[in-house]
Order: sequence, then C-alpha cells, then structure tokens
Amino acid sequence: LAKTTQPISMDSYEGQEVNITCSHNNIATNDYITWYQQFPSQGPRFIIQGYKTKVTNEVASLFIPADRKSSTLSLPRVSLSDTAVYYCLVSSGQNFVFGPGTRLSVLP
Amino acid sequence: GAGVSQSPRYKVAKRGQDVALRCDPISGHVSLFWYQQALGQGPEFLTYFQNEAQLDKSGLPSDRFFAERPEGSVSTLKIQRTQQEDSAVYLCASSLGSWQGLLGNQPQHFGDGTRLSIL
Repeated sequence: LAKTTQPISMDSYEGQEVNITCSHNNIATNDYITWYQQFPSQGPRFIIQGYKTKVTNEVASLFIPADRKSSTLSLPRVSLSDTAVYYCLVSSGQNFVFGPGTRLSVLP
Repeated sequence: GAGVSQSPRYKVAKRGQDVALRCDPISGHVSLFWYQQALGQGPEFLTYFQNEAQLDKSGLPSDRFFAERPEGSVSTLKIQRTQQEDSAVYLCASSLGSWQGLLGNQPQHFGDGTRLSIL
C-alpha cells in the first residue's frame, strides 16, 4: 500500500508560483497520482492526475520524475482563493491512500 | 449540475444509537466510495462499491460499520451502537469507471460530507 508524505504547511504570496511535493516511495507500476483541493466544510475537489512525466491543465501542472517516487503539484500565480488543503492521492487498485495534506496559505 | 449529494449534512447522536448516512452519487457513476475524515486529517478509505457489489470493505473500522448500495445508485453507510470515536466527517465519492485495473485513471467526485458528532 503506497504511503505518501507531504509538507504540513506552506505560505505564499499572491501572484507567486507554488510547488507542493508529495513523496510516495512505494508506488506500484499501475498507480496513478491525483491531487485534490479541499476547502473547510467541503469535500475534496479534483485538480489534476498523472502517471509519468508532465501533465498540465487550465489550473495546474503535475511533474512526475522517471522513478515516480515523488510528484510535484505546481500552481501558477496563486490568489487568496487558493488558500486550502492540498492532498496527494496514490491510486493503488482498490485501495485509495490520501496523504496527510498540505495546508497552503496565500497571503496578500 | 448534479454532483454527489450527501444527507444529512450534520448529525448528532447519543453514544449507543444507530445512525444512517446517505449518499446520492452522480447519475451513471459505476464506482462509489466512502471515506472517514477526522478533524485535521486526510480522508481515510472505508469501502468501495462497483454498482451494487461491495468489492472492498477493508477500511471499515469495526463490524459496527455497514454499507450498502442495493440498486447500484444510492448508498447508505450505517453505524450501529455509535461510539465517541466515530465522530468525524463521512465523505462519499463516485467515479465514472469500474475497477478493472483502471481505477487509477478515474477522478473521484466528492460530496461535501456528513459531519457526525457522537455525544
């Protein structure tokens, strides 16, 4: 069962790029890496998903090195509304393991 | 648009009572998941359904926890003889695909959860 670790918290300022790294040393061949965003009193919201190399969508990029033992979520030009908890999820068959989450605070 | 709906949003029960939490997944979604989220923690997997079949219940913390999805759509998580340690937010998620080794490629869509408080 893949276990993940993330920084507990990060601070940033509006307009900056934020990179959050998740470690998943025991990731299996068929596992995908998915990132979610969660605001207080809401369920997690899907941000981006990838298997290897780089994936980009309209809100974020996901970088996965060749060994796949880590992944980095990149949020370009964050705003105050990006203040939330970000979770890294490694999909391992029928078992779904969320990381402890990174609390991102965006300051004005 | 209809997302995943959970009810009630808040539930308060006395220790020892039974509770039932409801999840209405997105229409047509084959897979349904239940998670438990303690305060300040990430969601922890409880159980997984593919249509009406419960394929994984390895995360259920005790035999007091029971989940069903009899017609392959709405699901109910039941907790019998509740204990204070059951207090948490219970999240439901659904995804379009079915598990055939491809679940990793299917994003999960979450409801906003039921906050359960056991007094």
